[in-house]
Amino acid sequence: ETVMTQSPATLSVSPGERATLSCRASQSIGTDLAWYQQKPGQAPRLLIYGASTRATGIPTRFSGSGSGTEFTLTISSLQSEDFAVYYCQHFNNWFTWTFGQGTKVEIK
Amino acid sequence: EVQLVASGGGLVQPGGSLSLSCAASGFTFSSFAMFWVRQAPGKGLEYVSGISYNGGSTYYANSVKGRFIISRDNSKNTLYLQMGSLRAEDMAVYSCARVVHNSGWYYFDYWGQGALVTVSS
Repeated sequence: ETVMTQSPATLSVSPGERATLSCRASQSIGTDLAWYQQKPGQAPRLLIYGASTRATGIPTRFSGSGSGTEFTLTISSLQSEDFAVYYCQHFNNWFTWTFGQGTKVEIK
Repeated sequence: EVQLVASGGGLVQPGGSLSLSCAASGFTFSSFAMFWVRQAPGKGLEYVSGISYNGGSTYYANSVKGRFIISRDNSKNTLYLQMGSLRAEDMAVYSCARVVHNSGWYYFDYWGQGALVTVSS
């Protein structure tokens, strides 16, 4: 089973600044990676799939990159509504879906 | 608009049972695999169980195998999770999520709000 490790656990960023979140896979996974955003009390929302493809309706300030074992989610200019927890996710097989432990993006 | 609404959560004693439902609307339910994902208080996301579009295949995380049963009724657009032999570590918000298979990638494109399951004596 592939283990997903996110860093940092918490990222303090000022509104308007760039945020860079990392997700590392314990073995190569190609581009089979998704990113989700979760705000307190809300269900997760799909942001990125296939490592770099934005989901429908996701603003262009969100971008994903990477392949193999190293992946990045970049928020180019943080808006107030972007402060949330972000998770990466990999599909190992139908019996095993793994999530990273999450990165909390908070206001600096 | 795709909507997934989970219900059935509540307080149950260790060793007890509880059943969750997830009512789906806004899409052709019978065309999609569906999953349950949980989140313990203050913790991250954990895959629990999944079922194929027609109910022919089911999948379980090792942590719930033999204790939970997933099912679906496509005539009612509803997903179910029967939980038995509940433990303290099963306490979480349980959300249903729709699976998409796109260009070889698998991911959850819609999630429901979730139902809180509390396991305590």
